[in-house]
Amino acid sequence: DTAVSQTPKYLVTQMGNDKSIKCEQNLGHDTMYWYKQDSKKFLKIMFSYNNKELIINETVPNRFSPKSPDKAHLNLHINSLELGDSAVYFCASSQEVASGGETQYFGPGTRLLVL
Amino acid sequence: AQSVTQLGSHVSVSEGALVLLRCNYSSSVPPYLFWYVQYPNQGLQLLLKYTSAATLVKGINGFEAEFKKSETSFHLTKPSAHMSDAAEYFCAVSDPPTSGTYKYIFGTGTRLKVLA
Repeated sequence: DTAVSQTPKYLVTQMGNDKSIKCEQNLGHDTMYWYKQDSKKFLKIMFSYNNKELIINETVPNRFSPKSPDKAHLNLHINSLELGDSAVYFCASSQEVASGGETQYFGPGTRLLVL
Repeated sequence: AQSVTQLGSHVSVSEGALVLLRCNYSSSVPPYLFWYVQYPNQGLQLLLKYTSAATLVKGINGFEAEFKKSETSFHLTKPSAHMSDAAEYFCAVSDPPTSGTYKYIFGTGTRLKVLA
């Protein structure tokens, strides 16, 4: 019944490793997002896909690569992990509304710790 | 560019007291405004949103917010705090629909502590 799910929930890894976080939504939405929340709780958008097409790509290192195999999935792959990548990563989804103001639905987050 | 400012990174209230969390926005066009709540170790959940209908918006868990264009504010209130309201609260503004980006800009959050 989970609307937006993420795996894994926790991820502890060494510097230099490559890791992936998966996100799936069963709401039938056509837009999905990745956000990064730092240790001070600041939440910043990283990427957004609409119907599998990248529409937002903030100034994120190119070590981060999103992939959307279909509308219901948006995965985040991170190469060469650095200490500063430690954060909570949230996936979200929304349904486009012509008038705007669509609600975003968030997943539970993936807590990444890079040692 | 759109932006939101949340005054007060930490707010403490006694149980049963009024909750007031402040949010001011900056927008060149009529904004869409949101309040989200984040409980410990969880994702964000929508409390309420303003999309240019009624200026007083009622949300879940007894919260409401009033859009005041003259003050560029969208403060969140609840008449009587409950212990379960302790959480992090985020105000957000979204891009206008013409931008096609559906991007939210979040404030820095306000941690609400409820004292017994």
